[in-house]
Amino acid sequence: AQSVAQPEDQVNVAEGNPLTVKCTYSVSGNPYLFWYVQYPNRGLQFLLKYITGDNLVKGSYGFEAEFNKSQTSFHLKKPSALVSDSALYFCAVRAAYNFNKFYFGSGTKLNVKP
Amino acid sequence: SAVISQKPSRDICQRGTSLTIQCQVDSQVTMMFWYRQQPGQSLTLIATANQGSEATYESGFVIDKFPISRPNLTFSTLTVSNMSPEDSSIYLCSVVEGEETQYFGPGTRLLVL
Repeated sequence: AQSVAQPEDQVNVAEGNPLTVKCTYSVSGNPYLFWYVQYPNRGLQFLLKYITGDNLVKGSYGFEAEFNKSQTSFHLKKPSALVSDSALYFCAVRAAYNFNKFYFGSGTKLNVKP
Repeated sequence: SAVISQKPSRDICQRGTSLTIQCQVDSQVTMMFWYRQQPGQSLTLIATANQGSEATYESGFVIDKFPISRPNLTFSTLTVSNMSPEDSSIYLCSVVEGEETQYFGPGTRLLVL
C-alpha cells in the first residue's frame, strides 16, 4: 500500500536556525516525491520534487530535501529559517507508474519565532 | 507551471442548497482533480475529472452528491449538492503537468449553515 507519514504535527524553530520537516513514505516501485507549502487561506504551492538523480534536491524559497532510499525518507530542510516560512507543509508521493494517484501526508505546521 | 483559478473563492450557503465551483487552467491539461480539505488538515481526493467522460470517484464520494463536469481540457466544475454543515470545507482543484507535478488552485472556502 502507498502511504506517506509526517510524524510531527508541529515544528518550532527560532529564526536563523536550521529547520527540518520529516517525511517517510511507502510506495511500490520508484517513488516520485514532492513537498508543498500552504500559507493561511491559500492553496498548496509546489516547493520541490524528487524524481531521479541527485539525492539532494533544491527548490523554491531556499528549501531543499534529501531523498534517502534506505530509510524511505524525504526530509525537507532549510539552513536558516525565516518567520515568513511559518506555514503548513505537506509531503506527497506517487508511484512512478501511476500519475493518477498522489498520497499526501497529514501535514506539519512550521512555526518560526523571531 | 500552470496557473489555476477557482470561483468563488469563498461562500456561505444554507443547508439543502447546492454550490457549483469552477476551476479554470491557463493551459490544456489531461489530468484534473478535486480535493477536499478541512482547515489545517490533509487533503482528501474526491474525484478525477476526465475530459469527455464521467469523473472517477474515490471511495466515499458519489456522483449524486458531487457531480463534476469537464467540458474541455482547461475547465472543470464541481457541484456540492444538497449541502449540510458537514460539507463545510476547503475545495481544491489541481492539475498534473508533464505527468509529474501536481499544481493546485487557490481553493474555495465553503461554510454551510
